[in-house]
Amino acid sequence: GDSVTQMEGPVTLSEEACLTINCTYTATGYPSLFWYVQYPGEGLQLLLKATKADDKGSNKGFEATYRKETTSFHLEKGSVQVSDSAVYFCALRGTGGFKTIFGAGTRLFVKA
Amino acid sequence: EAGVAQSPRYKIIEKRQSVAFWCNPISGHATLYWYQQILGQGPKLLIQFQNNGVVDDSQLPKDRFSAERLKGVDSTLKIQPAKLEDSAVYLCASSSVTDRGAYNEQFFGPGTRLTVL
Repeated sequence: GDSVTQMEGPVTLSEEACLTINCTYTATGYPSLFWYVQYPGEGLQLLLKATKADDKGSNKGFEATYRKETTSFHLEKGSVQVSDSAVYFCALRGTGGFKTIFGAGTRLFVKA
Repeated sequence: EAGVAQSPRYKIIEKRQSVAFWCNPISGHATLYWYQQILGQGPKLLIQFQNNGVVDDSQLPKDRFSAERLKGVDSTLKIQPAKLEDSAVYLCASSSVTDRGAYNEQFFGPGTRLTVL
């Protein structure tokens, strides 16, 4: 079945450092890919998405490119801030269209 | 626009007791989801409603979990009897549907943290 694998955390960075959180997926067909963020005490929020190969999703300085050849959707940010501290979830929605599969999440700590 | 509302935010019960969670989705959203998020894991879909009908409940442990959305608006999720392994955050989400029947972005509530002792 469809699945998502993302790098284990926690990831600890200093402010202004570069961030990469790896995400790979297994799915048949052409799934849509998502990154969600969960700030402490809050529900998940959609951060960005890409719906077809080579699409780049971007939001709040974060980017991720849908790479079908490597089945990856890595999350990147050039300069993190303390306010980016959260748990990040990679997810996919298969070509069937209605079920979203989430990765286990990666916790990010950013130190001032 | 009000977000997805859930209550209670926290609940502590003993095993074999019953518990119910409530969710009110964003107004106008036809689709409602209940997820279970165990500590250190990603959310797992328990049940999905489209209006008041069930779209997918394949991962709902039906011997102890039940959910309803009788009027196609708010929803309740019940566990009876609870087990220790049910300790988790229960997330509710909702989404609208496009004219072509595709699902738009899911909006999540803050969740209910359940502890079973």
